[in-house]
Amino acid sequence: AQKITQTQPGMFVQEKEAVTLDCTYDTSDPSYGLFWYKQPSSGEMIFLIYQGSYDQQNATEGRYSLNFQKARKSANLVISASQLGDSAMYFCAMREPEGNNRLAFGKGNQVVVIP
Amino acid sequence: GAGVSQSPSNKVTEKGKDVELRCDPISGHTALYWYRQSLGQGLEFLIYFQGNSAPDKSGLPSDRFSAERTGGSVSTLTIQRTQQEDSAVYLCASSLAPGSGGETQYFGPGTRLLVL
Repeated sequence: AQKITQTQPGMFVQEKEAVTLDCTYDTSDPSYGLFWYKQPSSGEMIFLIYQGSYDQQNATEGRYSLNFQKARKSANLVISASQLGDSAMYFCAMREPEGNNRLAFGKGNQVVVIP
Repeated sequence: GAGVSQSPSNKVTEKGKDVELRCDPISGHTALYWYRQSLGQGLEFLIYFQGNSAPDKSGLPSDRFSAERTGGSVSTLTIQRTQQEDSAVYLCASSLAPGSGGETQYFGPGTRLLVL
């Protein structure tokens, strides 16, 4: 069964605008971690932000914030004030303790920032 | 500090040949992971090493795939008798030990493998 779902098609966003990338997850474990990674065309996977299942506050890292809605099992990434360098694939991933902390990835969201 | 490094960055091989891919994790990271990224399958977990514990090999797709980690640091992923469906980007990641509070996995640049 798919554990991480990212279903949005490729997105175009105007420079300086905000963009929200959807991610829903499925787990029965009460302890888990959620991650977002960015993969530009060069191919490297860049860590952006982390949310623990017990964290009370939504995670923020600079222009990135995570809208964590635990009851709905969603962990949407918000990128504020988009920049041209934000054009990339974005992957949502979940770490499950019983899975030896391996990451289960979604299929990714393609974002293109236009000037 | 230095991040995760992988070599080679690109590898072209002929079907049936063996290949070795290398990963050098971040210094001090005891956990090391291999993932594979292909067009059809997305990102898949392959194998996990933590310290001196037995590795979790549950993600390896066939017995042609094996990996080792010597001295708790550098890891080598070996694919024997390569097939065209092995063509993919092989990504290595490392992290602090699970349960330490710092389990974020940091990825290397990957090895792009093409099997002709």
